[in-house]
Amino acid sequence: QQQVKQSPQSLIVQKGGIPIINCAYENTAFDYFPWYQQFPGKGPALLIAIRPDVSEKKEGRFTISFNKSAKQFSLHIMDSQPGDSATYFCAASRNGANNLFFGTGTRLTVIP
Amino acid sequence: DSGVTQTPKHLITATGQRVTLRCSPRSGDLSVYWYQQSLDQGLQFLIQYYNGEERAKGNILERFSAQQFPDLHSELNLSSLELGDSALYFCASSVGTGNYGYTFGSGTRLTVV
Repeated sequence: QQQVKQSPQSLIVQKGGIPIINCAYENTAFDYFPWYQQFPGKGPALLIAIRPDVSEKKEGRFTISFNKSAKQFSLHIMDSQPGDSATYFCAASRNGANNLFFGTGTRLTVIP
Repeated sequence: DSGVTQTPKHLITATGQRVTLRCSPRSGDLSVYWYQQSLDQGLQFLIQYYNGEERAKGNILERFSAQQFPDLHSELNLSSLELGDSALYFCASSVGTGNYGYTFGSGTRLTVV
């Protein structure tokens, strides 16, 4: 059973576009929601994370929007660049838990 | 370089065999986590060790086992391998027992033929 559902599976945008990746969860005990970026041949790297006490968090061109009532969160990439082409994973965990539950990933391609 | 070292990078083996994957955590990190990444399942948590002791278990098969040694490196042992075990196996490390601030290694790609 997938604890975190992620969509779309793949996404292609033009340079400068704003790709949006969505995730949904069911477990209301989750209180930490990170996004990871993975390049081919590399392990996932933490990109940005949010906790449910805020509705939005920005770090550079990356923004997480969080909707607690809908149990959804999303990643927006502003002014996307070809170098952003990678696979993006959302994840969630409970306070004090030792493991992350990952979404199935979104392969993003930014066309020059 | 993330600071988490995994060896080997690639492994090809036959069904029924046993393999050992190795992970050296980032300097100062006491926790080691193992994850399996397959095409259709994404990243699945297998097991966590903290300072030599097993701390949490996920959907790890009985054919799989792990340990963390006094120097904090960890090994994941996979036995009686099946075709379906083919996947990327990632190790991650963190300072404490919580999962915040994970750092992943580059993974070991296991192919079972």
